[in-house]
Amino acid sequence: EVQLVESGGDSVQPGGSLRLSCVGSGFSFSAYSMNWVRQAPGKGLEWISYISSSTIYYADSVRGRFTVSRDNAKNSLYLQMNSLRVEDTAVYYCAREAYYRNSEWFDPWGQGTLVTVSS
Amino acid sequence: QSVLTQSPSASGTPGQRVTISCSGSDSNIGINAVNWYQQLPGTAPKVLIYSDNQRPSGVPDRFSGSKSGTSASLAISGLQSEDEADYYCAAWDDSLNGWVFGGGTKLTVL
Repeated sequence: EVQLVESGGDSVQPGGSLRLSCVGSGFSFSAYSMNWVRQAPGKGLEWISYISSSTIYYADSVRGRFTVSRDNAKNSLYLQMNSLRVEDTAVYYCAREAYYRNSEWFDPWGQGTLVTVSS
Repeated sequence: QSVLTQSPSASGTPGQRVTISCSGSDSNIGINAVNWYQQLPGTAPKVLIYSDNQRPSGVPDRFSGSKSGTSASLAISGLQSEDEADYYCAAWDDSLNGWVFGGGTKLTVL
């Protein structure tokens, strides 16, 4: 079974740091691009980062504060979050970027991990 | 403010057909495929439609997708109570170099 499991969510104060992890299983992790998507309480989905074997992209809302990385030997994806703000409070999902011919989509998604930024 | 525009809500009665729309621009829907995700209450999103109109295995054929120009639509026929969920459209944006989502449409089955 293809599966993603996130961990690392916690409650932190504004200005603090946190590192999220996502472990993949049931597929060849290194062959896929990966993404982080977040969802603030009661709000919609917001893409925040993409990483392939050679390319990294960030949403403007997190660029310069968040760093995405991966360790293919450990089938793991990471998100280092620094200078956290109250508005970063959200459930953070990792998602594999499935592909076929010229199309890509997110499948599967992890179960999500909650990050709360509050004083 | 989401890059892709969706109506915040939609509703229908069991057995009815409902359509959810998604409007974008030349840099996203106009040149890239649209994907649709379903998020049931309290769960992670799951792909419903990919590449504009393709259904993953396991998704009922009651769900269909279409695209024209810079707009896309998700149609649900034979509406069922278990279809009550939030639906999101998404596409890659070549100008932003990132994925963009619609704000989501909350579907209520009356």
